[in-house]
Amino acid sequence: GAGVSQSPSNKVTEKGKDVELRCDPISGHTALYWYRQRLGQGLEFLIYFQGNSAPDKSGLPSDRFSAERTGESVSTLTIQRTQQEDSAVYLCASSFGTGGGSLGELFFGEGSRLTVL
Amino acid sequence: KNEVEQSPQNLTAQEGEFITINCSYSVGISALHWLQQHPGGGIVSLFMLSSGKKKHGRLIATINIQEKHSSLHITASHPRDSAVYICAVSLYQFYFGTGTSLTVIP
Repeated sequence: GAGVSQSPSNKVTEKGKDVELRCDPISGHTALYWYRQRLGQGLEFLIYFQGNSAPDKSGLPSDRFSAERTGESVSTLTIQRTQQEDSAVYLCASSFGTGGGSLGELFFGEGSRLTVL
Repeated sequence: KNEVEQSPQNLTAQEGEFITINCSYSVGISALHWLQQHPGGGIVSLFMLSSGKKKHGRLIATINIQEKHSSLHITASHPRDSAVYICAVSLYQFYFGTGTSLTVIP
């Protein structure tokens, strides 16, 4: 697609349920990032995929959070046993990362707004 | 301490004013990015720069690598410029500032 696509755009769930959020990055972008943004707050790093390298999971807040990426395409962020503090906008971004730490321009999706009741 | 610091946190300006937002960083970088987030909207990349200056319409971004400092300038500000402006730096990973909330009053 032309841009980063995320789904669902909005998700309301009950506390304790599992949710899956999906991200389709820009075709050809090797780097994919998940961020969380609580209301009125800045971006909180969650996880980073770069090509076939092991993902950087250092930002995942607990073992209830996990993410997978199929090759250099779709990624899914899963939150198990959701809690009210998980309510936030979950943003996916992609870039054309090259070797040596150089990362290209960052393109964001519109985000998935999660509300845990 | 955050790797990226922005100032001011909040800024209110009258339409037509010249606006400057500052960004300082403490890590080595390959590039610096300025992003814009409108209320309730997505985040878009305004500039990616590693040296000198870039201009796009009424927006100008500068970077001083030696001083680890960048500025985003908006000339002839307009109410539609009201948004949160985020500075980010990249090297193997992105590091984000907490953003500057700009309100331009007609």
